[in-house]
Amino acid sequence: DAGVIQSPRHEVTEMGQEVTLRCKPISGHNSLFWYRQTMMRGLELLIYFNNNVPIDDSGMPEDRFSAKMPNASFSTLKIQPSEPRDSAVYFCASRTTGTSENEQFFGPGTRLTVL
Amino acid sequence: KQEVTQIPAALSVPEGENLVLNCSFTDSAIYNLQWFRQDPGKGLTSLLLIQSSQREQTSGRLNASLDKSSGRSTLYIAASQPGDSATYLCAVTGAANSKLTFGKGITLSVRP
Repeated sequence: DAGVIQSPRHEVTEMGQEVTLRCKPISGHNSLFWYRQTMMRGLELLIYFNNNVPIDDSGMPEDRFSAKMPNASFSTLKIQPSEPRDSAVYFCASRTTGTSENEQFFGPGTRLTVL
Repeated sequence: KQEVTQIPAALSVPEGENLVLNCSFTDSAIYNLQWFRQDPGKGLTSLLLIQSSQREQTSGRLNASLDKSSGRSTLYIAASQPGDSATYLCAVTGAANSKLTFGKGITLSVRP
């Protein structure tokens, strides 16, 4: 298995532009998580889905952020409009629910820089 | 609200030393606890997962213990090597199928 796949790996954009981050979870996993990591705040959960349904979006910073999971093999995190304070590494993770382990597997991350 | 703390934030040790990384959490009603490793510029790699009913898990030179009642976990690394240099994060799950709450990690440097 290729693991969790994220694209792009790096994104540099200007303030005000729309940014779309993409994630393909591990095949067969039915939970997907979006995290943001910064030096100041560490790793923060933004939103997670079970069976393509958003379960907890309380970590989404504001209305500029939105996430979708149209099917079991794809999710997007969109920021519109982007701001310099959104600069961070964004991770996607997936796992299988309904098992005893609940182990999460992370993608390599997307490093976002908003100028 | 669950809070996970890892102290110190950074640690430097000479090669060959046995070391212990600490993790504490405020709500003892956890489902499991997971230790991750993160190399600079990389994603997180799962090292060990301990269920709430377990006391410890071992993988190679790594041993993770869990004392749920006191809200503590330790990651023991035997005979440390420079290749062990990375950031180690612990995270807890409050219930089955729920989210992970992460500590901020301990950045370990093993000097040759």
